[in-house]
Amino acid sequence: QVQLQESGPGLVKPSQTLSLTCTVSGGSISSGDYYWSWIRQSPGKGLEWIGYISYSGSTDSNPSLKSRLIMSVDTSKSQFSLKLSSVTAADTAVYYCARKAGAKSFTVFSPWGQGTLVTVSS
Amino acid sequence: DIQMTQSPSSVSAFVGDRVTITCRASQSISSYLNWYQHKPGKAPKLLIYAASSLHDGVPSRFSGSGSGTDFTLTISSLQPEDFATYYCQQSYSSLFTFGPGTRVHIK
Repeated sequence: QVQLQESGPGLVKPSQTLSLTCTVSGGSISSGDYYWSWIRQSPGKGLEWIGYISYSGSTDSNPSLKSRLIMSVDTSKSQFSLKLSSVTAADTAVYYCARKAGAKSFTVFSPWGQGTLVTVSS
Repeated sequence: DIQMTQSPSSVSAFVGDRVTITCRASQSISSYLNWYQHKPGKAPKLLIYAASSLHDGVPSRFSGSGSGTDFTLTISSLQPEDFATYYCQQSYSSLFTFGPGTRVHIK
């Protein structure tokens, strides 16, 4: 079955860019039925949807993060990535990647990766 | 944004107990409500989608109900592997939001 695994630095300095990659295995990232998503969990804000990207590169994201967010996809490597710029301590969180399935309002996130902790600190 | 709340925030229960968790939306979301189970260090798992539909492979002791603004997740007979945190999530709005979670732990 499809599995997702996040990777990237666990420590990022304030004002720098947080970069994470999610590797998809056991299924095709190029399926038009799915979007590839990022979700984070911080102690102060709970679970927060960050955004998603399709295999063709179309995206949607949380307006609160949109100005700092870049998402990309590399179908040849079965990977998709997130870059969040100008980070502060408020961006410290466990970052999850997940597959978004379903059309319009019938949206679910399944499966998820195990998550990776990113700490923003000097 | 659609705000999601859950109650209780934490519940203690014995194996075999019936457990009910409530999720409330700040506006009507029809039946566009999903439930997830999350154990520490593990990937969150989808349990219920569209308020009451059981995801593939999820035991039948889990059930969901509700529509509009009020929803419930019920575990009919709590098993040792069910001790976890449970989150609701609305998909009515394209700005997806989650509830704060309900932790189910051993009494």
